[in-house]
Amino acid sequence: DTGVSQNPRHKITKRGQNVTFRCDPISEHNRLYWYRQTLGQGPEFLTYFQNEAQLEKSRLLSDRFSAERPKGSFSTLEIQRTEQGDSAMYLCASSLVGEEFFGPGTRLTVL
Amino acid sequence: GIQVEQSPPDLILQEGANSTLRCNFSDSVNNLQWFHQNPWGQLINLFYIPSGTKQNGRLSATTVATERYSLLYISSSQTTDSGVYFCAVGSGTSYGKLTFGQGTILTVHP
Repeated sequence: DTGVSQNPRHKITKRGQNVTFRCDPISEHNRLYWYRQTLGQGPEFLTYFQNEAQLEKSRLLSDRFSAERPKGSFSTLEIQRTEQGDSAMYLCASSLVGEEFFGPGTRLTVL
Repeated sequence: GIQVEQSPPDLILQEGANSTLRCNFSDSVNNLQWFHQNPWGQLINLFYIPSGTKQNGRLSATTVATERYSLLYISSSQTTDSGVYFCAVGSGTSYGKLTFGQGTILTVHP
């Protein structure tokens, strides 16, 4: 049973550029979550999907952020016009019922 | 929203010592997980424990939901136990939307 995978693992970009991250959940899991973690803090919830439906979005998810989960399988998180404040670890998790399992994260650095 | 407080914020131990990490939360929960974050940032599941007591080797956890706290016990600590320990909770129909505490940084010296 493979775990949650995320790509890329690291992304360095210049301010103003767009970036897209991908998350592949554990295959039978119907729920998929995105979190963001900055240095010294615990992860913070961004959004989640049940199958292909995006059910909740945090106030942290500005209009520059968009997430999709076409066909209820993998998910993408896009950040448009990146800002230095977007630098963080972006974590994806999946679950079937209750317990969530996290991927290794994508570390974004905005120069 | 629900508040999660972890204590202590930092803990330094000698190898072989025992420790207790605490997680207090401000409202009733139906989801509670303990994680260990390794130096590469990977969150490793330790326990899914919205109530009751569980044990896994040298680690055990107890959640007293009615009193809104959970405890993680580490016995005979090893250097590989070092890292950040997070408690995360969820409640209501959004039980999967986890709220994390600030974490406890554990350092185990040989």
